[in-house]
Amino acid sequence: GQNIDQPTEMTATEGAIVQINCTYQTSGFNGLFWYQQHAGEAPTFLSYNVLDGLEEKGRFSSFLSRSKGYSYLLLKELQMKDSASYLCAVYDSNYQLIWGAGTKLIIKP
Amino acid sequence: ETGVTQTPRHLVMGMTNKKSLKCEQHLGHNAMYWYKQSAKKPLELMFVYNFKEQTENNSVPSRFSPECPNSSHLFLHLHTLQPEDSALYLCASSQEVGTGGYEQYFGPGTRLTVT
Repeated sequence: GQNIDQPTEMTATEGAIVQINCTYQTSGFNGLFWYQQHAGEAPTFLSYNVLDGLEEKGRFSSFLSRSKGYSYLLLKELQMKDSASYLCAVYDSNYQLIWGAGTKLIIKP
Repeated sequence: ETGVTQTPRHLVMGMTNKKSLKCEQHLGHNAMYWYKQSAKKPLELMFVYNFKEQTENNSVPSRFSPECPNSSHLFLHLHTLQPEDSALYLCASSQEVGTGGYEQYFGPGTRLTVT
């Protein structure tokens, strides 16, 4: 079967750095997405990785290793507004998007 | 209106009722999706339409019936639902299905409670 694993919940301090990991086992790979979802709101697109390496976008960076079936989302200079769930999703060989259950990130002052 | 809109935002219905959820996208996309989101579970893909044609139906019970009259509008007709169908129903759109790199844009969702 196809599977995406993420930690259920993480806690970090305002101003710090946090890394949210995602491992996947899918039938084929055509790209990996990270989305942010605030409570009661729609998921919003953060990043897309299809080649190995690091993609940086402001305070957020996303890394991909296809050989290890692994990605992480790195959030720097954490702000209270970063408290949200972070969803990892992978396009399989049929371009069906497989979703993880999400990581709830709690930011403390 | 911009992006993806959904109505109603909240819906409470009895098990014998019939209701419909509406989704509209203003992005010029050709693909639209219905997802079910339950607490602490991955998003469950229910239906996919690409250029108004249904391409996916992931073993969804027949009490859920989708309708896509054009590339901008998507409906989910509900009848004889069960309490376990209570969840957040999200609509999304993307440029098209079948090629990589196109992110999905989500609506705010309809919070459905079945009593």
